[in-house]
Amino acid sequence: DAGITQSPRYKITETGRQVTLMCHQTWSHSYMFWYRQDLGHGLRLIYYSAAADITDKGEVPDGYVVSRSKTENFPLTLESATRSQTSVYFCASSPGWSYEQYFGPGTRLTVT
Amino acid sequence: GQQVMQIPQYQHVQEGEDFTTYCNSSTTLSNIQWYKQRPGGHPVFLIQLVKSGEVKKQKRLTFQFGEAKKNSSLHITATQTTDVGTYFCAGGVVGAGKSTFGDGTTLTVKP
Repeated sequence: DAGITQSPRYKITETGRQVTLMCHQTWSHSYMFWYRQDLGHGLRLIYYSAAADITDKGEVPDGYVVSRSKTENFPLTLESATRSQTSVYFCASSPGWSYEQYFGPGTRLTVT
Repeated sequence: GQQVMQIPQYQHVQEGEDFTTYCNSSTTLSNIQWYKQRPGGHPVFLIQLVKSGEVKKQKRLTFQFGEAKKNSSLHITATQTTDVGTYFCAGGVVGAGKSTFGDGTTLTVKP
């Protein structure tokens, strides 16, 4: 079925390690987004991409790296994880001609 | 930069009561979206409004976009326990490609 998937769904890592969160969508949406949601808080935009090979910073990009070599994939890498990056990470996609976004199920990341 | 504010932050209602959440933008918007996030879940797109003064209904939910396109509201009539969750608005500006999310209103419903 078409949709947006994220992997892994749960991840525990240690401070200082590099970790990559994967996001895949099958709608061929041009826009993709990464958000983090801390417990009891709203969504904060980390990075977004308007198309393959085009990425831009959001509100909280420090400590994160993204790439988008293919339209359907938008991985998020934490270069050296810190405890403050413990959060739930949501990937979303949007067709671009309309601003509505479709979210993946999320990755719950714990940094110890 | 653009800011989107939502009030109230929390709302507790008795089942059957009405509920309204308000969304205000610091800038004029080209569109606004509403999302619902159930506890432990992910945000789910509900609706998008694009016209000044637009009103749309989905069963017991009524969405409104202000005449000046700087504010919006979501009204739920006769709340049910299934309405529990956090409701987010997100405002978009033409050409930006992305929307700015409000912090959400968390609704709890007492049976």
